[in-house]
Amino acid sequence: AQSVTQLGSHVSVSEGALVLLRCNYSSSVPPYLFWYVQYPNQGLQLLLKYTSAATLVKGINGFEAEFKKSETSFHLTKPSAHMSDAAEYFCAVTGSGGGYNKLIFGAGTRLAVHP
Amino acid sequence: GAVVSQHPSWVICKSGTSVKIECRSLDFQATTMFWYRQFPKQSLMLMATSNEGSKATYEQGVEKDKFLINHASLTLSTLTVTSAHPEDSSFYICSARDTGANTGELFFGEGSRLTVL
Repeated sequence: AQSVTQLGSHVSVSEGALVLLRCNYSSSVPPYLFWYVQYPNQGLQLLLKYTSAATLVKGINGFEAEFKKSETSFHLTKPSAHMSDAAEYFCAVTGSGGGYNKLIFGAGTRLAVHP
Repeated sequence: GAVVSQHPSWVICKSGTSVKIECRSLDFQATTMFWYRQFPKQSLMLMATSNEGSKATYEQGVEKDKFLINHASLTLSTLTVTSAHPEDSSFYICSARDTGANTGELFFGEGSRLTVL
């Protein structure tokens, strides 16, 4: 079975500071990993994805994540936070059985950015 | 990029009525769509996998007779909440996988907020 653990339900940073959102996964098969962002009352927008190619993945809005198999991690980073980055962030892994259809989500991390 | 549209975005209904939510893939075909439910400040919980032309596959604990799913075409899946009650109030999100791609990526709709009075 697949699972995702996001450490820290709330993260607060200053504008311009480094953003680090943690994600650890468990998977019995080689995983596909994703980071999504959700703004209030909206659906999910894909930030970036890892699909077994380069381990350092660059996404939209200046975000990137590094797949580390030895640590079963896929942490999301951004060098300099903007006020507009305040949102809910979800890490997700593909599920087992039937290929890469199901997405299993972490509990989410709410990012607050203050001036 | 691929677009998934949900309708309605907001719906308020009386207890005991049924509500239908549509999920459309606008620029790609989706043999598989997924329905999620999200409670306030919580993560997304997969409710069911909607398969075009066949029965949906429900996750454990999800009532099939309460949450009816129909996937009649390659671009449309519907979720009907039957005999809705206040505890069914939630944010429902659909997603779709591009049948022509093989990246595992899902595209999400904007979500539909259901409030049952």
